Amino acid sequence: KQEVTQIPAALSVPEGENLVLNCSFTDSAIYNLQWFRQDPGKGLTSLLLIQSSQREQTSGRLNASLDKSSGRSTLYIAASQPGDSATYLCAVNNNAGNMLTFGGGTRLMVKP
Amino acid sequence: NAGVTQTPKFQVLKTGQSMTLQCAQDMNHNSMYWYRQDPGMGLRLIYYSASEGTTDKGEVPNGYNVSRLNKREFSLRLESAAPSQTSVYFCASSVKRYVDTQYFGPGTRLTVL
Repeated sequence: KQEVTQIPAALSVPEGENLVLNCSFTDSAIYNLQWFRQDPGKGLTSLLLIQSSQREQTSGRLNASLDKSSGRSTLYIAASQPGDSATYLCAVNNNAGNMLTFGGGTRLMVKP
Repeated sequence: NAGVTQTPKFQVLKTGQSMTLQCAQDMNHNSMYWYRQDPGMGLRLIYYSASEGTTDKGEVPNGYNVSRLNKREFSLRLESAAPSQTSVYFCASSVKRYVDTQYFGPGTRLTVL
């Protein structure tokens, strides 16, 4: 059974800092990996999707990398802003393709 | 485009009552999903519908039923609610099941007393 772990569970940084969020998964047979953002009391917003054949994806200040063989992904946020404060979730889509397995999330606080 | 919409936003039920959570998407997506989110357990898939006319169980289907009414709508029914079903329920959709981004609705916060 696929298991997804995110470390750290919570992170507090000053505005302007570059930061890295980590995601690890136990079964490397995946179709893709997605990073989501969730604001308190809200739904999930998709940030980046990396297909299994890709190594990284970029969107603005966000860069996500994927190392399928080692079961790891990182989300890099450059020049963090208070508006980046949210919970970040990673999820993997297994080769069976029938479900996304989510990590527990990293709660990020960016202080002005 | 409204994206994925869910009704109601909040609901309180008594044990044993039934209710249906509604979900609709206007993105012409083929696949739709129901998840529940619980503290310490993360998001878990309840049921999904790969395409109109098909539904399949996810990780935690017990106590729930679903209906894919048409391409736009996918409902989740609790026949006899239990306190263990207190959760936040999210509906999501994607173009295809395997390779595409999933888009989420705003969620329904359900409390079962």
